Amino acid sequence: DAGITQSPRHKVTETGTPVTLRCHQTENHRYMYWYRQDPGHGLRLIHYSYGVKDTDKGEVSDGYSVSRSKTEDFLLTLESATSSQTSVYFCAISDYRVGYTFGSGTRLTVV
Amino acid sequence: AQTVTQSQPEMSVQEAETVTLSCTYDTSESDYYLFWYKQPPSRQMILVIRQEAYKQQNATENRFSVNFQKAAKSFSLKISDSQLGDAAMYFCAYRSVQGAQKLVFGQGTRLTINP
Repeated sequence: DAGITQSPRHKVTETGTPVTLRCHQTENHRYMYWYRQDPGHGLRLIHYSYGVKDTDKGEVSDGYSVSRSKTEDFLLTLESATSSQTSVYFCAISDYRVGYTFGSGTRLTVV
Repeated sequence: AQTVTQSQPEMSVQEAETVTLSCTYDTSESDYYLFWYKQPPSRQMILVIRQEAYKQQNATENRFSVNFQKAAKSFSLKISDSQLGDAAMYFCAYRSVQGAQKLVFGQGTRLTINP
């Protein structure tokens, strides 16, 4: 997608290990978001950021932390991955005029 | 807090026919945005249509149109002349005009197009 990239695209990890997902934007947007997608739940907000070092919790934040040390990068960390965190993770940026732009998603499997 | 409900987990339609996907939402706000997103098997999230709550006129984008009933808090998506490429998950979403522009999604409806 134009202006936003997520990495990695797929990841398999073991229970109890730390995992970091990266979201990078080239649009200089203030707002960035992490969502998770699960069957029967749609997309649910994990954390969001409204500026460098400014973050807040979303609906399903337990077990996740985030950091934003630069405008362009928003990191999502699972400190100790659990099987319940197996999901597809989407990063998004928001511009009031254009709306949301989503990354291509990361499929994370915790075994 | 706002909630969005899509009560149809799956729908199917014959190619070239018309199908309507349902969405209801709950909010105490008077101004907001509503969206329909399409997610094909590629996982990409694609904006289909957007509606501003202050606009009484229903939004239309080519074969896609909405029926926005503000008092009933209903926001259905009509797809006319269905095509095989319309097969996807469809998500209804709500966004406040104030604050951090967070999207609240419904559970999704999987649409199958039968040839």
